[in-house]
Amino acid sequence: DIQMTQSPASLSASLGETVTIECRASEDIYNGLAWYQQKPGKSPQLLIYNANSLHTGVPSRFSGSGSGTQYSLKINSLQSEDVASYFCQQYYDYPTFGAGTKLELK
Amino acid sequence: EVQLVESGGGLVQPGRSLKLSCAASGFTFSDYYMAWVRQAPTKGLEWVASISYDGGSTYYRDSVKGRFTISRDNAKSSLYLQMDSLRSEDTATYYCTTVWVAARDYFDYWGQGVMVTVSS
Repeated sequence: DIQMTQSPASLSASLGETVTIECRASEDIYNGLAWYQQKPGKSPQLLIYNANSLHTGVPSRFSGSGSGTQYSLKINSLQSEDVASYFCQQYYDYPTFGAGTKLELK
Repeated sequence: EVQLVESGGGLVQPGRSLKLSCAASGFTFSDYYMAWVRQAPTKGLEWVASISYDGGSTYYRDSVKGRFTISRDNAKSSLYLQMDSLRSEDTATYYCTTVWVAARDYFDYWGQGVMVTVSS
């Protein structure tokens, strides 16, 4: 299995701030990487696929980048509705997820 | 609007069986691979199983192979997960998801989830 190491595990940021979450794969996943947002008590929602493509309806303040084994999710101008947990997922092989990053407001 | 509604969860004793269902609407069900993804309480996400458009191909994570069976009924736009020989480590919220294209792909739409608790 491809292991996904996500960091940080938790993050506290202020409104309007830019936030970056990292994900490292145990081997090259050739941009087969998605990011999900999960708000408390809700199901996950797709944000980014193919490492840098925005899913339908996702605000443009979210962006993804990376290649090889290193990927990141950036949230520009943090809004209160962005408080959530974020998960990365690789699909170069059978799907595996990162452990998640819990984002809170400072 | 894509809608996925899971049902069939509950409390079950170790070693017993449970069958989850997912009713899909708002898209052409037979055009999509489908999958189940689970999340143990306060834990991360874990892919469980996937199924091809016509049900002819199925894929499972190692820990559920031989115990779980994924199936679908395209005429009813429904997805199923038969879970046998349940273990305490199967306790989780189970989500029905669409899969973009193939077994090794991302999950573009998710249901609200159904809780399965395996305990004596």
